[in-house]
Amino acid sequence: AQKITQTQPGMFVQEKEAVTLDCTYDTSDPSYGLFWYKQPSSGEMIFLIYQGSYDQQNATEGRYSLNFQKARKSANLVISASQLGDSAMYFCAMRPGLQGAQKLVFGQGTRLTINP
Amino acid sequence: DTEVTQTPKHLVMGMTNKKSLKCEQHMGHRAMYWYKQKAKKPPELMFVYSYEKLSINESVPSRFSPECPNSSLLNLHLHALQPEDSALYLCASSQGGKGNQPQHFGDGTRLSIL
Repeated sequence: AQKITQTQPGMFVQEKEAVTLDCTYDTSDPSYGLFWYKQPSSGEMIFLIYQGSYDQQNATEGRYSLNFQKARKSANLVISASQLGDSAMYFCAMRPGLQGAQKLVFGQGTRLTINP
Repeated sequence: DTEVTQTPKHLVMGMTNKKSLKCEQHMGHRAMYWYKQKAKKPPELMFVYSYEKLSINESVPSRFSPECPNSSLLNLHLHALQPEDSALYLCASSQGGKGNQPQHFGDGTRLSIL
């Protein structure tokens, strides 16, 4: 069975500090994709970053980077120079298999609060 | 503004009412999704349409009826809902079945059942 675990229900960080949000996953599929989404209080799910199971390098998108450790089955999100607007719920999600209908498995989420 | 548009943004309905949620995207995506999200919980997949055909139904009760009239539109017809169906309903779309293509979500419809 596929499972995503986010062990940090909530995190509080000072503005401009870097923050790491943890995500571990479990799957028997050799091919899979890992996604991070941000959900502000408005409700929209905003795609942040993607890492494929066969990607050799860690993914980066602006201030977001993914610390992918395949052997440990972890895909932690790193946000550099945090901003007040980063306060939101963050979900790690996995797509088992890379073909066919895309079924995402979500973790329970981490609520990030950036303090001024 | 998101590229996936959902209407209405809020909906209050009685248990005997019939209503529909609408979702529209113009990104040329060929896969569309309905999710249900309860407060402080992750989204739960309900339905997946791939190339306008229903490909996944996550054992959703028949009081929820999806419809995909064309590649840009996705509807969710609601009938005889229960109070526990109150939730945020999210629509998403993605480019076909390619693994690295993210799902793009709408703002959601906040549904309250009286």
